[in-house]
Amino acid sequence: EVQLVQSGAEVKKPGESVKISCQVSGYTFTNYWIGWVRQMPGKGLEWMGFFYPGDSDARYSPSFQGQITMSADKSINSAYLQWSSLKASDSAMYYCARFMTTFQYFDYWGQGTLVTVSS
Amino acid sequence: VLRQSPDTLSLSPGESATLSCRASQSVPSRYLAWYQQKPGQAPRLLIYGASSRATGIPDRFSGSGSGTDFILTIRTLQPEDVAMYYCQQFGSSPDFGQGTSLEIK
Repeated sequence: EVQLVQSGAEVKKPGESVKISCQVSGYTFTNYWIGWVRQMPGKGLEWMGFFYPGDSDARYSPSFQGQITMSADKSINSAYLQWSSLKASDSAMYYCARFMTTFQYFDYWGQGTLVTVSS
Repeated sequence: VLRQSPDTLSLSPGESATLSCRASQSVPSRYLAWYQQKPGQAPRLLIYGASSRATGIPDRFSGSGSGTDFILTIRTLQPEDVAMYYCQQFGSSPDFGQGTSLEIK
């Protein structure tokens, strides 16, 4: 059974850093792209970027380029999304999802990680 | 850019829902997907390739369309269908519609 399990909620202050995780099971981690999707409170879905654990290839949405860093640890089947200096506007729910390149869609999703940035 | 309509749809149990997704440019049908997001939950894939149901999705859900106009139809509405529904296409990158909120009276 394919599962993506994300790390727990984070509460941070502006300017702090944070790294959230997405641990997968049930499939070969290095064979599929992982996507990250932001959902701000009461809003829709926004694609942030893709990461391919097989060769560490990263593709960032222009809207998020330079603001986030994606990475992975193949030894523990985990993908990561990190910020070095958070802003209040980064407060949102963040989802990881497996991306199917054959038809270009996200087939399995993590449960989401809520990041709250407040002074 | 994807534009979904209506923004909100309010129907009674047993009725059928028709949700629209219109693209600003022609989209290959194989790159059009639909997702359901129930309150407080992560999105769930319903339809990919414009008309193929994802694993475990009941046949009450169906997708159709081509070019710039795509439709998600939900037959025999049930209370558990209350959710936001999003379409997604892939041009040079994934793009989601703004969503349609489905309410059951």
